[in-house]
Amino acid sequence: GQQLNQSPQSMFIQEGEDVSMNCTSSSIFNTWLWYKQDPGEGPVLLIALYKAGELTSNGRLTAQFGITRKDSFLNISASIPSDVGIYFCAGPLYLSGNTPLVFGKGTRLSVIA
Amino acid sequence: DADVTQTPRNRITKTGKRIMLECSQTKGHDRMYWYRQDPGLGLQLIYYSFDVKDINKGEISDGYSVSRQAQAKFSLSLESAIPNQTALYFCATSDRGSTETQYFGPGTRLLVL
Repeated sequence: GQQLNQSPQSMFIQEGEDVSMNCTSSSIFNTWLWYKQDPGEGPVLLIALYKAGELTSNGRLTAQFGITRKDSFLNISASIPSDVGIYFCAGPLYLSGNTPLVFGKGTRLSVIA
Repeated sequence: DADVTQTPRNRITKTGKRIMLECSQTKGHDRMYWYRQDPGLGLQLIYYSFDVKDINKGEISDGYSVSRQAQAKFSLSLESAIPNQTALYFCATSDRGSTETQYFGPGTRLLVL
């Protein structure tokens, strides 16, 4: 199956700062997903990307599907305390057919007020 | 009421014991998943089921088994628990034809002594 590498592993930022994180895959993806896990809860889907080069926003969050189809980026602008959590990228576990997801190891974000 | 529920929420057990984690959903989804989360390792897929008669191994199925008793219920069993199965376990669901948008339960925290 596919494998995903996320970086950075963790980040400590000041409230109001912008944040960037990325995810790379060992193979070409046709879908990129970004999930967020709030402390003590299960992950929730933030953004889904389906096309190389696609740029999609959800409030202060913007994600991009890399043109090589092997990477994706998530940016958070003007961070606030509730942005704290773990951000996971995800994509299809297998290259074709009915496939579940594979998740990256996550980027843990801490926001200092 | 929550759409995806997991019981128990916390469990302490001893090495060698059999334990079952249960998941129920009211979303009417066909697809259900079991994941394991360890610090720094992200979410790893244990088993998945795309309908009641379909069971598939995920990335880390050794030491685990599952049962899909009905569309709404998917149970995970540890036949003989061992300490390195100490982790946070999540159940998730998704609608037919879509694996991108998964809805996660609140998690079960398991400690094996």
